[in-house]
Amino acid sequence: TQLLEQSPQFLSIQEGENLTVYCNSSSVFSSLQWYRQEPGEGPVLLVTVVTGGEVKKLKRLTFQFGDARKDSSLHITAAQPGDTGLYLCAGGLYGGSYIPTFGRGTSLIVHP
Amino acid sequence: DAGVIQSPRHEVTEMGQEVTLRCKPISGHNSLFWYRQTMMRGLELLIYFNNNVPIDDSGMPEDRFSAKMPNASFSTLKIQPSEPRDSAVYFCATPIPGLAGGPNTGELFFGEGSRLTVL
Repeated sequence: TQLLEQSPQFLSIQEGENLTVYCNSSSVFSSLQWYRQEPGEGPVLLVTVVTGGEVKKLKRLTFQFGDARKDSSLHITAAQPGDTGLYLCAGGLYGGSYIPTFGRGTSLIVHP
Repeated sequence: DAGVIQSPRHEVTEMGQEVTLRCKPISGHNSLFWYRQTMMRGLELLIYFNNNVPIDDSGMPEDRFSAKMPNASFSTLKIQPSEPRDSAVYFCATPIPGLAGGPNTGELFFGEGSRLTVL
């Protein structure tokens, strides 16, 4: 079983559309990261959320951490082809050694 | 800093052969993670080093897999003998230190990965 469940697994949309992807768990996290991975490359960190209910914005991307720190969402406004990629969430319980556990990711394709 | 450097980027080998993957972490970092990524299972943690010492190797699939970090600037992941089910992309990553020298927040710098195909 996955500690972090991401949905949807796949998303194919047209340029200009809005979308939301989700990252859910039954566990509580001290912080949660979102990464984007492009083909042939390693994941690249987008943002970290730490406080329950926290909202962070990165241009057209809005990240939210659930109040109970068990879930998170990523909303993209007016998607562009450059947003295409695999979006991964990762979390872990902090305590001495932080060992991030990753969800399987949401694969997004934005068509021009 | 050139970031996390992994080699080889691609390796194709035959079942039974030994495979060695290499990682040069970002200088000054004393922790290192090895992950494996497949379509079926996503990113799985294999092993975590802190101060060059293996802290958690519970993700290492079996005795065929071994990892070392002889110093703070080099790590290897070895598979001997390799099997077709080991085919995957293997990533090395180092933590991004917390602000003002505080504890790390779990944020990672990843290398570009080593794509392994075992025939």
